[in-house]
Amino acid sequence: GENVEQHPSTLSVQEGDSAVIKCTYSDSASNYFPWYKQELGKGPQLIIDIRSNVGEKKDQRIAVTLNKTAKHFSLHITETQPEDSAVYFCAASNLWKAGTALIFGKGTTLSVSS
Amino acid sequence: DVKVTQSSRYLVKRTGEKVFLECVQDMDHENMFWYRQDPGLGLRLIYFSYDVKMKEKGDIPEGYSVSREKKERFSLILESASTNQTSMYLCASSSPRGAGYTFGSGTRLTVV
Repeated sequence: GENVEQHPSTLSVQEGDSAVIKCTYSDSASNYFPWYKQELGKGPQLIIDIRSNVGEKKDQRIAVTLNKTAKHFSLHITETQPEDSAVYFCAASNLWKAGTALIFGKGTTLSVSS
Repeated sequence: DVKVTQSSRYLVKRTGEKVFLECVQDMDHENMFWYRQDPGLGLRLIYFSYDVKMKEKGDIPEGYSVSREKKERFSLILESASTNQTSMYLCASSSPRGAGYTFGSGTRLTVV
């Protein structure tokens, strides 16, 4: 089955710096790669996703890149702000295979200090 | 506002008790999921369901069962709670192709 590795487990940056979180996946059939943000006391929320037919996607200060050959994808946050502090999870799945579910990485705790 | 509602935020149960965790979604989603979240281990899939009365085992189904009698409701059952089942439990739902999970706020279960 799919296995998703996520690094680093913790990341501390100064406000205004960029933050990068990296994930690798094992199943070459995976074609959907979302990123979730979990704030304290809340469930994870989808912040951005990318499908295997796209190499990069941006939404304001966040972007995700995908390298299918190397089977890795990354989350980039620019101009970080204190409200970006949270736990971030990457995940992978095959949307076209019935009876499958997202497999998540172990999470990255991002701390943005002002 | 669409949502996934988990019936309890905090729950304390005794070892050996049968425990029911309830989850309801109002988005008419076919797929529903139960994950367990532990520090350093991320989100691990326990069970999921892609239709009423259908269920699939995830990565860590041992000690758990599920019930889906209605489309909007997905219950996680701990047949005989043990201390190693102390954890945060997260329910989620999604549309048929599985993109864009919506999570509930979680139930923090403590088994003593």
